[in-house]
Amino acid sequence: AQKITQTQPGMFVQEKEAVTLDCTYDTSDQSYGLFWYKQPSSGEMIFLIYQGSYDEQNATEGRYSLNFQKARKSANLVISASQLGDSAMYFCAMREGGGGATNKLIFGTGTLLAVQP
Amino acid sequence: DVKVTQSSRYLVKRTGEKVFLECVQDMDHENMFWYRQDPGLGLRLIYFSYDVKMKEKGDIPEGYSVSREKKERFSLILESASTNQTSMYLCASSFVVAPYEQYFGPGTRLTVT
Repeated sequence: AQKITQTQPGMFVQEKEAVTLDCTYDTSDQSYGLFWYKQPSSGEMIFLIYQGSYDEQNATEGRYSLNFQKARKSANLVISASQLGDSAMYFCAMREGGGGATNKLIFGTGTLLAVQP
Repeated sequence: DVKVTQSSRYLVKRTGEKVFLECVQDMDHENMFWYRQDPGLGLRLIYFSYDVKMKEKGDIPEGYSVSREKKERFSLILESASTNQTSMYLCASSFVVAPYEQYFGPGTRLTVT
């Protein structure tokens, strides 16, 4: 069965430091996609970054990068130069299958990140 | 700008009431989704729809139904609300084709008393 595991319920990081949020996944599909979302206390889910299973380069979006290690089935999110506004819940998610009509996502249980001044 | 809206941010209903949660997207997305979010459980898919009048059950459909009469609108219905349906409900939409990311609404925090 397809599954996303986030083993860190909560993390602290000092402002301006880098932080890595862990995500491992389990799938038998060859084609899949991995996402990271941010959920601030306001509740809205904000898309951060996407990595396709066939993408050779690790995805980057500004201060966010995805450390994709296919053999280890891990897709860790790295936030560089943390800011106070990065304090939020972060969810890793996986798209089932190779696309098509459904595009369902499976979510992990989330990691609550607190950035300290 | 991409926009998914939900009819209410906060809702309080009584046990046994019929509850309607509305979601509207303005991006011409084919897919629409309803999730519930509970602490420690992440987001769980209730129902999704890949076209008008088409729907499929997600992981936790019991006690819920959905309606999609127009492409931009996807409604979640609690036929007879129960206290264990107290939760945050999130609506999302996406295209059928890449890049597949789902765009979320602000959420509805539903309390059933």
